[in-house]
Amino acid sequence: DAKTTQPNSMESNEEEPVHLPCNHSTISGTDYIHWYRQLPSQGPEYVIHGLTSNVNNRMASLAIAEDRKSSTLILHRATLRDAAVYYCILRDAETSGSRLTFGEGTQLTVNP
Amino acid sequence: NAGVMQNPRHLVRRRGQEARLRCSPMKGHSHVYWYRQLPEEGLKFMVYLQKENIIDESGMPKERFSAEFPKEGPSILRIQQVVRGDSAAYFCASSLGTSGFDEQYFGPGTRLTVT
Repeated sequence: DAKTTQPNSMESNEEEPVHLPCNHSTISGTDYIHWYRQLPSQGPEYVIHGLTSNVNNRMASLAIAEDRKSSTLILHRATLRDAAVYYCILRDAETSGSRLTFGEGTQLTVNP
Repeated sequence: NAGVMQNPRHLVRRRGQEARLRCSPMKGHSHVYWYRQLPEEGLKFMVYLQKENIIDESGMPKERFSAEFPKEGPSILRIQQVVRGDSAAYFCASSLGTSGFDEQYFGPGTRLTVT
């Protein structure tokens, strides 16, 4: 899987938007961009994924740069429950096989 | 629709004992994965199984660890003769498919403590 780079930590205030960046300059044309998060003492949780176009779901939005070398996960109104480690992961549509390769992710702190 | 189930949630074993961790995938999912998270470390892939087959065990230690996903029943991760270094959270995940767009759904994990 191609490598991703994320900031180690970010901080936000409750009810404000949060933009979590991810760089993936070596992304290939068949790589999907996935985001997962892990709340304290819980298993990872799927958040969103996309290929080329921006994506929205009930949890978040994913904005993908035109050259696909970076993306941003957007939480529109952070809540205390959004405090977690967020992982940006690339998965090749044809050769990813099975595994998810987790990096260190971004630790998001949400202040009340 | 129940999510991925894991049991037990917490397991304490003495050095040298065996640990058996169970995972029931989401209904309709035939792909199961095991990951390990050592204290203060990231999640690492261990093994990927389909019913009755191990597809990729490249992340699993060669000795003492084994995994199975029988035709009937849950997937089992077995650790023989546990050592203190095996203390970790073990997460199971399942998916409908294995393409680049298939998401994996994770269970709550089993926290193994070796004393």
